[in-house]
Amino acid sequence: DAMVIQNPRYQVTQFGKPVTLSCSQTLNHNVMYWYQQKSSQAPKLLFHYYDKDFNNEADTPDNFQSRRPNTSFCFLDIRSPGLGDAAMYLCATSRGTGQPQHFGDGTRLSIL
Amino acid sequence: DQQVKQNSPSLSVQEGRISILNCDYTNSMFDYFLWYKKYPAEGPTFLISISSIKDKNEDGRFTVFLNKSAKHLSLHIVPSQPGDSAVYFCAASGDFGNEKLTFGTGTRLTIIP
Repeated sequence: DAMVIQNPRYQVTQFGKPVTLSCSQTLNHNVMYWYQQKSSQAPKLLFHYYDKDFNNEADTPDNFQSRRPNTSFCFLDIRSPGLGDAAMYLCATSRGTGQPQHFGDGTRLSIL
Repeated sequence: DQQVKQNSPSLSVQEGRISILNCDYTNSMFDYFLWYKKYPAEGPTFLISISSIKDKNEDGRFTVFLNKSAKHLSLHIVPSQPGDSAVYFCAASGDFGNEKLTFGTGTRLTIIP
């Protein structure tokens, strides 16, 4: 089945130790998104790629970066994770404007 | 500034009855609205959407109503089934060329057998 796959499902890292989360899609969608979701809060958009065009949200910390080497893959890099970065990270894809987004099952990040 | 609001964090409904989930928004530029359903340990799943040119969209047991003047939308599920127990997120986007969604904080729906 075509889908959005996130790896790993659970990630534990140490305070300040860089971590990379990955997302792949078989939907061939133009747009890929990264969201951060904390308990009982709305998913918060960090950034998205429309094809190769990178769009950063104004309030996304500099600590968060992203790479999209090809249509199928997108990575979220957290350079120096702090305790406040512990959250669920969701990847999503869409065909673009006026189209629903399709989500992966997320990566739950814990910081020790 | 929460542009999409779901004021009820939780809702309990008897099986077989109608579930009504509500969502309010403040940005008049929003023109596309969606509902997502989320089970624990899974990502949100797209349920149903509506564009601002309509006031109702129906898909099986699920109907979304849009009241633009009130900046309000609702999701009706009838009849409610135990498998409908989940967290429901309302989301909105707007401006042609805007592919971003703004989400509400979710409503946890529990269907009582």
